[in-house]
Amino acid sequence: DQQVKQNSPSLSVQEGRISILNCDYTNSMFDYFLWYKKYPAEGPTFLISISSIKDKNEDGRFTVFLNKSAKHLSLHIVPSQPGDSAVYFCAASAYGGATNKLIFGTGTLLAVQP
Amino acid sequence: EPEVTQTPSHQVTQMGQEVILRCVPISNHLYFYWYRQILGQKVEFLVSFYNNEISEKSEIFDDQFSVERPDGSNFTLKIRSTKLEDSAMYFCASSVRGDGYGYTFGSGTRLTVV
Repeated sequence: DQQVKQNSPSLSVQEGRISILNCDYTNSMFDYFLWYKKYPAEGPTFLISISSIKDKNEDGRFTVFLNKSAKHLSLHIVPSQPGDSAVYFCAASAYGGATNKLIFGTGTLLAVQP
Repeated sequence: EPEVTQTPSHQVTQMGQEVILRCVPISNHLYFYWYRQILGQKVEFLVSFYNNEISEKSEIFDDQFSVERPDGSNFTLKIRSTKLEDSAMYFCASSVRGDGYGYTFGSGTRLTVV
């Protein structure tokens, strides 16, 4: 049951251009979404998050857009830099009260070419 | 920047042996989690822990798994009798709130069962 999907396993972008990573979800109970960056053999590093009451959140070069009606979110990186090359995971949670688990997508490998 | 610390970074064990993976969450965090990532697959939730008890566990977290917070700082995952399919990266995470805010992952323990 893939509740969070990242349909592009990889993306290649030129340095300085925009990178757009997409994520779709199926569970309408999700109310908090996060993007993580991950290098091999390291833990996921938090990038940016968005609550379901918003449709956009921006932090420096990173902007996350949420379209609740389409159950779609995207991460924009502008301008892309070679150091951004990594696997990007989107994750979603539905706060149930005590704690919440994150449901991860399968990841998108971003390669930023110099 | 506060960190979640995991030890060891790599553990090799024989099938059927018990292993304990250790984590030191961020000191003011109250919610603790274990996730795992089998090579080439997505990051999967195992268990969440709050107020000295398990809040939620996945179907992966069967009777062979247990968690403990023995001394107020460490958070451990024990696998009683390891199987080959337990080979994975295991990530500890902690968060300051239950809604996903401040969700921080450790760098992981690579468990190899031979």
